[in-house]
Amino acid sequence: GAVVSQHPSWVICKSGTSVKIECRSLDFQATTMFWYRQFPKQSLMLMATSNEGSKATYEQGVEKDKFLINHASLTLSTLTVTSAHPEDSSFYICSARDGGHNEQFFGPGTRLTVL
Amino acid sequence: AQSVTQPDIHITVSEGASLELRCNYSYGATPYLFWYVQSPGQGLQLLLKYFSGDTLVQGIKGFEAEFKRSQSSFNLRKPSVHWSDAAEYFCAVSGGGGYNKLIFGAGTRLAVHP
Repeated sequence: GAVVSQHPSWVICKSGTSVKIECRSLDFQATTMFWYRQFPKQSLMLMATSNEGSKATYEQGVEKDKFLINHASLTLSTLTVTSAHPEDSSFYICSARDGGHNEQFFGPGTRLTVL
Repeated sequence: AQSVTQPDIHITVSEGASLELRCNYSYGATPYLFWYVQSPGQGLQLLLKYFSGDTLVQGIKGFEAEFKRSQSSFNLRKPSVHWSDAAEYFCAVSGGGGYNKLIFGAGTRLAVHP
């Protein structure tokens, strides 16, 4: 149980385009989902917290207009990187938590490369 | 402010040797503590967690960790390392309740010599 998937697993896009990454909880309802960013050989940095049906809460320094997060259902959250630039290239990881547990379940990550 | 410190950026051990990865945290209340492992290009896998109760917790893959409140530490141990244990290890702290934001340490990269 407690499986989280991400799609795509990797994506290459041109500078200026937008990219959408999906995060799904496959066997539980995720009341809260988290989006992290990880640069090579570095730790995970929380970007935002999203609760189903409400606006995401962004961490300080994260541009909410650039990283659009939607959590429209209890099993799906999406992260859209708008007008992507090479500096947005990174490994993006989502996690999901159901209401009854204090544990987050992580997705396998999405590697974004912006040319 | 909440923080997690993993003092060792890189550790190399021989296969079969014992292992201890250090983790110190700063948190005003009783923390929820986690250890995750990440293989290259992969997501995070939970090794073990501490919420309350017995301060020595057992995890998967033969790992254990001990919560020491007096030292604000949650060190990860394994008595005999296998080559497949080579990976990046992250310690994390959460305040519990609410949205459970996780604060991660910088990670320790483990290399295992044959």
